[in-house]
Order: sequence, then C-alpha cells, then structure tokens
Amino acid sequence: EAGVTQFPSHSVIEKGQTVTLRCDPISGHDNLYWYRRVMGKEIKFLLHFVKESKQDESGMPNNRFLAERTGGTYSTLKVQPAELEDSGVYFCASSQVPGNTIYFGEGSWLTVV
Amino acid sequence: QKEVEQNSGPLSVPEGAIASLNCTYSDRGSQSFFWYRQYSGKSPELIMFIYSNGDKEDGRFTAQLNKASQYVSLLIRDSQPSDSATYLCAVNRGSAGGTSYGKLTFGQGTILTVHP
Repeated sequence: EAGVTQFPSHSVIEKGQTVTLRCDPISGHDNLYWYRRVMGKEIKFLLHFVKESKQDESGMPNNRFLAERTGGTYSTLKVQPAELEDSGVYFCASSQVPGNTIYFGEGSWLTVV
Repeated sequence: QKEVEQNSGPLSVPEGAIASLNCTYSDRGSQSFFWYRQYSGKSPELIMFIYSNGDKEDGRFTAQLNKASQYVSLLIRDSQPSDSATYLCAVNRGSAGGTSYGKLTFGQGTILTVHP
C-alpha cells in the first residue's frame, strides 16, 4: 500500500512568488492534515480536512496560505505570495480516524530566498 | 510555557542500554499521546500510542503515562544503533472511543544517538 506522497520534495522560490504543494493521502483515508516545521521549531498543525471539508484550520498562519481538497482525494497547499519566514518543511498526513494513527509523508522542503 | 516539552537532548546511550525519553504537556484536556520516530530527511513514523495511565509495552518499546503529573515517557530497551533518530512526542485532546480531534501538538523532539 502506498503511503502519503508529497510533491515537490524540494522547492526554492523567490520572495513574492507562488508555490503549490500537493499531497496524495493513503487511499481510503478521509482525514488529511497539513503540518509545518520551520527551522528550529516544533512541527505545527496547519489544518485538517475531513473529505473535502475543512474541519479545523486554526493553524493556518495568514491568508497567504490556501488549502484545498477538491473531491476529497488529493490536497494542495498554495502559498501566495511567499515570504522568507515561510521557509520550512511542509508535512502532509492522513488517517482513517481523526487524530489517531496519523501517517505522515516525507515532507515538501520549501526555501524562500 | 510550551504546550509540549521534551528533554532537550541530544541523548547518547551505548548499544544495549535503556534509552529514556521524557515529555510533559500543559493541556490537562489531552487524552491521547503518541511517540513518533523521525530519521533525518524522512517522515515521522508512529511507534507507540497510549491513552491510559500506566505502562504500555510493544517489543523493545514501553510508553508510560501519568496524567496527574502530565507526563509521558518512552523507554527503549536494548538500544540499537538503528534506533538513532529524533523522537517526537505528540498529544491530542481526542480520546479513544470518544470525541475525536484531528490536531496533534508536537514537542520539539529529542535526538537520540546509540553508539556501538
């Protein structure tokens, strides 16, 4: 069974540009999460989808971040316009039950220069 | 105060020894507790979860939970060089069989090195 897959694995963009990260959860997992780890900090929750609905987006830092999950399958996280402080690793994760046995992808490393 | 704090590390133990990783949390509403292992550049991998006070054993790993003290730990017996990784403690307000919450709150992680 395929795990959580993320694309791209690494991205370097200039400040002010746009980046879109994609996540394919484990097949059959209704719950999809985005987390972020910035340099020197702990992994922080961004948001939680149940199917195509945003269950909890309390961790989204500001309106430059837009997450979508059309059709309840894969998800995208767009950062527009990117700022230097957005650099970090963006993890996607999925689970069958909310908050339980959550499987993580390997992350998308974003560097904003 | 951070919501989840882990012993700062790095922690270095000889092969075959017991490694002890500690975690405290501030939210008394936390019900579920998870230990993840993360190798450099890889995804966090779930190794243990615990809901009830006391000990839970799985192979060489034992998770210990004390809700009154807001403390959870992970013991790794017979440590191997392959156990060298960053260990992440995460907590959730949801309970097994009860209300579910999607959000995990992580500690900063403890780097463990097991030397031959």
